[in-house]
Amino acid sequence: DTAVSQTPKYLVTQMGNDKSIKCEQNLGHDTMYWYKQDSKKFLKIMFSYNNKELIINETVPNRFSPKSPDKAHLNLHINSLELGDSAVYFCASSQGGGGAYGYTFGSGTRLTVV
Amino acid sequence: DAKTTQPTSMDCAEGRAANLPCNHSTISGNEYVYWYRQIHSQGPQYIIHGLKNNETNEMASLIITEDRKSSTLILPHATLRDTAVYYCIVIPVTNAGKSTFGDGTTLTVKP
Repeated sequence: DTAVSQTPKYLVTQMGNDKSIKCEQNLGHDTMYWYKQDSKKFLKIMFSYNNKELIINETVPNRFSPKSPDKAHLNLHINSLELGDSAVYFCASSQGGGGAYGYTFGSGTRLTVV
Repeated sequence: DAKTTQPTSMDCAEGRAANLPCNHSTISGNEYVYWYRQIHSQGPQYIIHGLKNNETNEMASLIITEDRKSSTLILPHATLRDTAVYYCIVIPVTNAGKSTFGDGTTLTVKP
């Protein structure tokens, strides 16, 4: 069973569109994350979220919004897509802050904006 | 959250030990040192972690200095499949914050 699964794996869309990426974890973790990896391969955290608190990286545009219908899911909505949003987006989960057992990552969603 | 610094790249001969250093001089007492690796554009894969004691598992060993300001990941017998980007990151036990991956070290294992 896949621990952290993301869909879709690939997403090609036009500028200006609105899209969502879904993430689900079956590990029973209480915290989930979204990371962005651009062409330079830097892994930057975008959001961390548990049922109590959403922590947003201040550099993330407000066109990006996480939505969590329940503890096992954290979806990423992106409005008015721009060329610069092209990247690989990784979902991850952890128990608490992650220090005790670390993060478990999904396999990524490659977003291409044309 | 503490930040880490790693060399940009390293080479290692196949079958030899690969020693990857990491500096985390501002680490706090409730932060663990974690190592992940990423092969191509796959999701980062957990390797090993530790708080202050040295650790060993089936993949690697982790040596943490006594002052906890730096650590070294050791792959005892590197194979070609160990070619990847290796990330050192510090993660707090509680209060998920903004744990950010550094630039990582690109390890190339050569025949």
